Amino acid sequence: EAGVAQSPRYKIIEKRQSVAFWCNPISGHATLYWYQQILGQGPKLLIQFQNNGVVDDSQLPKDRFSAERLKGVDSTLKIQPAKLEDSAVYLCASSVRVQDSPLHFGNGTRLTVT
Amino acid sequence: ILNVEQSPQSLHVQEGDSTNFTCSFPSSNFYALHWYRWETAKSPEALFVMTLNGDEKKKGRISATLNTKEGYSYLYIKGSQPEDSATYLCASYDRGSTLGRLYFGRGTQLTVWP
Repeated sequence: EAGVAQSPRYKIIEKRQSVAFWCNPISGHATLYWYQQILGQGPKLLIQFQNNGVVDDSQLPKDRFSAERLKGVDSTLKIQPAKLEDSAVYLCASSVRVQDSPLHFGNGTRLTVT
Repeated sequence: ILNVEQSPQSLHVQEGDSTNFTCSFPSSNFYALHWYRWETAKSPEALFVMTLNGDEKKKGRISATLNTKEGYSYLYIKGSQPEDSATYLCASYDRGSTLGRLYFGRGTQLTVWP
């Protein structure tokens, strides 16, 4: 089966600019996640979708971050405006079920904000 | 927020050595424990998802055990090889909230020298 596709792989922007990341999950996976991994820390959940509905966005900085999942398939994560502390790897993952099925991750996007 | 702790933070071993890491998590509201391997420039790959106390799982030279009553899991690698060099992440699924959330530790970075 095709894996989780993410783009771009790398992005360098200046602070206050905007950036968008794209994710295409594995076909048939109802649950889609966006994680932020800052160097030296574990991945932190930003937002979780079940089909095209948001089920958990409690850790998403909503003043600057937004995400949507179109027709329950592809998803985009946007940051506007970016801050220096947003420099991180952004991982998209999908799974069949929420609790006890493994997450399938994309390669991630490494964002550097200067 | 669930506190998932991993130790050690990093580990350097010689090829052929066996090694093990620890993942500690709160035992209350436990549902599932995930282990992932994350090699540089690749996507995190699921190793195991464990739910039952006393569960043991094996994949090649890698095995894991789970103690849900005391809140820890061990990951063992027998006869480490250079290709085992990666960051090993554990994550605990907490069903304290309506849907639950997967909380990741900071990971153990393993380097295997030839």
